Amino acid sequence: DVVMTQSPLSLPVTLGQPASISCRSSQSLVYSDGNTYLNWFQQRPGQSPRRLLYKVSDRDSGVPDRFSGSGSGTDFTLKISRVEAEDVGVYYCMQGTHWPRTFGQGTKVEIK
Amino acid sequence: EVQLVESGGGLVKPGGSLRLSCAASGFTFGSYSMNWVRQAPGKGLEWVSSFSSSGTYIYYADSVKGRFSISRDNAKNSLYLQMNSLRAEDTAVYYCTRDGRYSGSNDYWGQGTLVTVSS
Repeated sequence: DVVMTQSPLSLPVTLGQPASISCRSSQSLVYSDGNTYLNWFQQRPGQSPRRLLYKVSDRDSGVPDRFSGSGSGTDFTLKISRVEAEDVGVYYCMQGTHWPRTFGQGTKVEIK
Repeated sequence: EVQLVESGGGLVKPGGSLRLSCAASGFTFGSYSMNWVRQAPGKGLEWVSSFSSSGTYIYYADSVKGRFSISRDNAKNSLYLQMNSLRAEDTAVYYCTRDGRYSGSNDYWGQGTLVTVSS
């Protein structure tokens, strides 16, 4: 199985400051069709997960442009350009290239 | 508006069975692959099972293979998860999710249904 490793697992941030979460996979996530199926999800306290980004860097509808994704192969990053109070929660990366689909452990973002 | 509404969760004894349902609306259900993802209390997300739109594939996580069975009824716009031989470690919120047709997996999630396995 592909292991997804996120860091850090806890991220205290100051409002208005940037934040960055790393996600590394144990195998390349490039699929045979040339796409890289790496998603990012946000789970606010008490809510269901919500997808933010797909195929590394494509933003889902309604997702603020302060969220961006980058990376390739086995190394990926989620960046929040300026953290807002509503961004508090747990962020997960997930690979959809290989079966079984696997998630990272989650990164808890909180306000300092 | 896409909506996924899970039901069927509850308290069950170890070794027991439960059937979860997911009612879908707001999209052409039969054209989309669907999934179950679970989250144990205070833990992360775990993919459980997937059923493709065409029926070409059905996949299970090793942790549930042989005990859980996924199915769908396109006429009723519904996805199901039959869970047998339940164990304490199956205790979790179970989410129904949809795969986007061109945007990859898990683009929409339901609110989840809690399954508690305890004597």
